[in-house]
Amino acid sequence: DIVMTQTPLSLSVTPGQPASISCKSSQSLLHSDGKTYFYWYLQKPGQPPQVMIYEVSNRFSGVPDRFSGSGAGTDFTLTISRVEAEDVGVYYCMQTIQFPYTFGQGTKLEIK
Amino acid sequence: EVQLVESGGGLVQPGGSLRLSCVPSGFTFSSSWMTWVRQAPGKGLEWVASVKEDGSEKYYVDSVKGRFTISRDNAKKSLYLQMNSLRVDDTAIYYCASLGATRISWCFDYWGQGTLVTVSS
Repeated sequence: DIVMTQTPLSLSVTPGQPASISCKSSQSLLHSDGKTYFYWYLQKPGQPPQVMIYEVSNRFSGVPDRFSGSGAGTDFTLTISRVEAEDVGVYYCMQTIQFPYTFGQGTKLEIK
Repeated sequence: EVQLVESGGGLVQPGGSLRLSCVPSGFTFSSSWMTWVRQAPGKGLEWVASVKEDGSEKYYVDSVKGRFTISRDNAKKSLYLQMNSLRVDDTAIYYCASLGATRISWCFDYWGQGTLVTVSS
């Protein structure tokens, strides 16, 4: 199974400041089709998760441009350029290159 | 508007059974892989099972193999999760989600609000 490891597990950020979350996978997520099956999700309090970033660096429909994703192979980063109050929740990385699909442990983002 | 509505959760004793249902709308169900994801109270997300558009392929996390069965009825536009031999550690919110339905990428793109399963004596 592919293990997804996120750091940090919690983050407290002042509004307007940047935030960054790292995720490392135990195997490469680069498929032979050229795509990297790596995603970032945000689960806001009391809600189901929502996809934020797909295939490493592409913002999903409706996601603000302050969110960006980067990385390759096994190392990935989610960056929020200027955190806003509505960004609070738990961020999860996930892979879908092979079953069982696996998530990271989650990173809880709070506002100072 | 896309909606996925789960039902069937509740309180069950260890060793018991439950059948979850998910009724989606707003996208082409019969052309989409579907998935169940669960979240234990205060814990992270865990993929449980996925089923191909026509039901011909099914995949499970090891911890539920032989106990849970994912199925679908495209005529009824419904997804199911039959859960047998339930254990205390199966207690979780169970989310129904589409897999790649938006055709944007291979991810869980549409989600329901979830249904709570509590396994306790």
